[in-house]
Amino acid sequence: DAKTTQPNSMESNEEEPVHLPCNHSTISGTDYIHWYRQLPSQGPEYVIHGLTSNVNNRMASLAIAEDRKSSTLILHRATLRDAAVYYCILSAPGTYKYIFGTGTRLKVLA
Amino acid sequence: DAGITQSPRHKVTETGTPVTLRCHQTENHRYMYWYRQDPGHGLRLIHYSYGVKDTDKGEVSDGYSVSRSKTEDFLLTLESATSSQTSVYFCAISESWGSYSPLHFGNGTRLTVT
Repeated sequence: DAKTTQPNSMESNEEEPVHLPCNHSTISGTDYIHWYRQLPSQGPEYVIHGLTSNVNNRMASLAIAEDRKSSTLILHRATLRDAAVYYCILSAPGTYKYIFGTGTRLKVLA
Repeated sequence: DAGITQSPRHKVTETGTPVTLRCHQTENHRYMYWYRQDPGHGLRLIHYSYGVKDTDKGEVSDGYSVSRSKTEDFLLTLESATSSQTSVYFCAISESWGSYSPLHFGNGTRLTVT
């Protein structure tokens, strides 16, 4: 299964942009990159996904490197409510599995 | 919010007893998943289902079994609970496989094995 690597934790100031990196050097050509986040005491929630092109939605933007071996989740203006654990995952080829890692714990400072 | 109900929400049981956790969905989604979450390990996939009576193992399936006799229910059974199975268990569903169908998670079941 293709794996992802993320920093354990990051900090950001409120109302500033946040760039959360993810490395996935073993990604296959058909793997989509997915991001989820988990707020305290809740189940994870979907944030965004993409294949090759950069993607935007109301929650965030996803920037994918040209070689697809890394990606960055961008929160344009961090709020205190964005403090969460962010997971970058790949869909496992040939199976129906989503394998999560330990994610990045984002702390937002007021 | 996706209609996913996990039951029970909390359970305390003794070592060696059988335990069944239930995940019920009202979305008619094909794919269902069981994850466990422990400090320092993130979310780990236990078992998943890609249709009625179609299930497969995930990363940490030892000591667990699952059953899916109808679309809406996915049961996770601990045949003989151990203290190492103390965890928070999350159920997730997905309408279809691939890029365009995100996972939706339930609120979790906190299981304590004493």
